[in-house]
Amino acid sequence: AQTVTQSQPEMSVQEAETVTLSCTYDTSESDYYLFWYKQPPSRQMILVIRQEAYKQQNATENRFSVNFQKAAKSFSLKISDSQLGDAAMYFCAYRNGRYYGGATNKLIFGTGTLLAVQP
Amino acid sequence: GAVVSQHPSWVICKSGTSVKIECRSLDFQATTMFWYRQFPKQSLMLMATSNEGSKATYEQGVEKDKFLINHASLTLSTLTVTSAHPEDSSFYICSANGLRGNTEAFFGQGTRLTVV
Repeated sequence: AQTVTQSQPEMSVQEAETVTLSCTYDTSESDYYLFWYKQPPSRQMILVIRQEAYKQQNATENRFSVNFQKAAKSFSLKISDSQLGDAAMYFCAYRNGRYYGGATNKLIFGTGTLLAVQP
Repeated sequence: GAVVSQHPSWVICKSGTSVKIECRSLDFQATTMFWYRQFPKQSLMLMATSNEGSKATYEQGVEKDKFLINHASLTLSTLTVTSAHPEDSSFYICSANGLRGNTEAFFGQGTRLTVV
């Protein structure tokens, strides 16, 4: 069974600084996707960034980038130039790549990291 | 991106009554939808997978007679909490996968259920 681990329950960063959130996962699959989701106080889940396992290049989305280490099964999120609006709960998530339908394509979430941004 | 609408956003009900939560994919067809439960400051716990035209698949420990799921069309799944009790109070979120090959899950805005 696949698992996702986030070892940092809480993190804090100064506005305009950079912070890295950690995530490790375990799977025996070779084809999968990894995601970072943001959940602000509104509790709406927002996709921050995604990574296809077959791609060696790390994904980037504006101030957000990942460090994907497939052999180490590590998938960290770096937030540059942190803004007050980045304060939220961040979830790392895994999904099987092969499409079998139904529950086989469910998202598996980590326990989350609560990020505080200090002005 | 695709939109998933969840309704209601919040509901208060009396113990012993049933509550229905709807999850609609507004601009795409969703053969599979997922229902999650989330406690404060905790992660999303998958309750069940809703499959269009067939029975839902429940995760271990989730009572299927307590949490009834119906996925009657490609754009609508419903979760009914039957005979609700205060311990059922929680935040419920649905998500839908896009068409085959689409890797992104789209989330509803969630429903805050309070049972009094």
